[in-house]
Amino acid sequence: AQKITQTQPGMFVQEKEAVTLDCTYDTSDPSYGLFWYKQPSSGEMIFLIYQGSYDQQNATEGRYSLNFQKARKSANLVISASQLGDSAMYFCAMRELANAGGTSYGKLTFGQGTILTVHP
Amino acid sequence: DTAVSQTPKYLVTQMGNDKSIKCEQNLGHDTMYWYKQDSKKFLKIMFSYNNKELIINETVPNRFSPKSPDKAHLNLHINSLELGDSAVYFCASSPIPGQGNTGELFFGEGSRLTVL
Repeated sequence: AQKITQTQPGMFVQEKEAVTLDCTYDTSDPSYGLFWYKQPSSGEMIFLIYQGSYDQQNATEGRYSLNFQKARKSANLVISASQLGDSAMYFCAMRELANAGGTSYGKLTFGQGTILTVHP
Repeated sequence: DTAVSQTPKYLVTQMGNDKSIKCEQNLGHDTMYWYKQDSKKFLKIMFSYNNKELIINETVPNRFSPKSPDKAHLNLHINSLELGDSAVYFCASSPIPGQGNTGELFFGEGSRLTVL
């Protein structure tokens, strides 16, 4: 079963406007983390923002904010004041804690990604 | 100084050949990963090692064999390459989550493998 779902294959936004990229997740683990990564056309994976399942407030990092709605199991990324350089693929990911041999570790599962295009 | 570095960045080879991709991290992390990104950009975990021990093996064909000589290195060897192995392979590392950090993945730049 898909654990992370990004329903928007592509999104378009005008420069300087705000845009919301959707992400829903599925887990029965009470402790988990949600991440957003950006992958520009050059291919590298860039970490943007993190939200812990127990965090009371929505995470913010500069122009990025995470609209975390725990009951709805959604973690949408909001980019304010879009710039041309924001054009990229965006991935939502969920980390669930697991244990092996007495050591806890995190495994990130990624969504399908959303291609964001910012128009001048 | 690159945090997670993988070599080579590009690899073009014939079907049936054997090839290796190397990965090194200088972040002091205990956990390292290999992810495969296919032509549709879907990222899927293949393996994870924690302090040289294999902890995740996601039903990857046994033609793929990871090796971790120490916790700073995780190499990927692929035998008898097939056309479907063409992809971008990302190495990543992370600290153990919960020790004052998020457990985010730090990715290498990726290695693009093309099998002809």
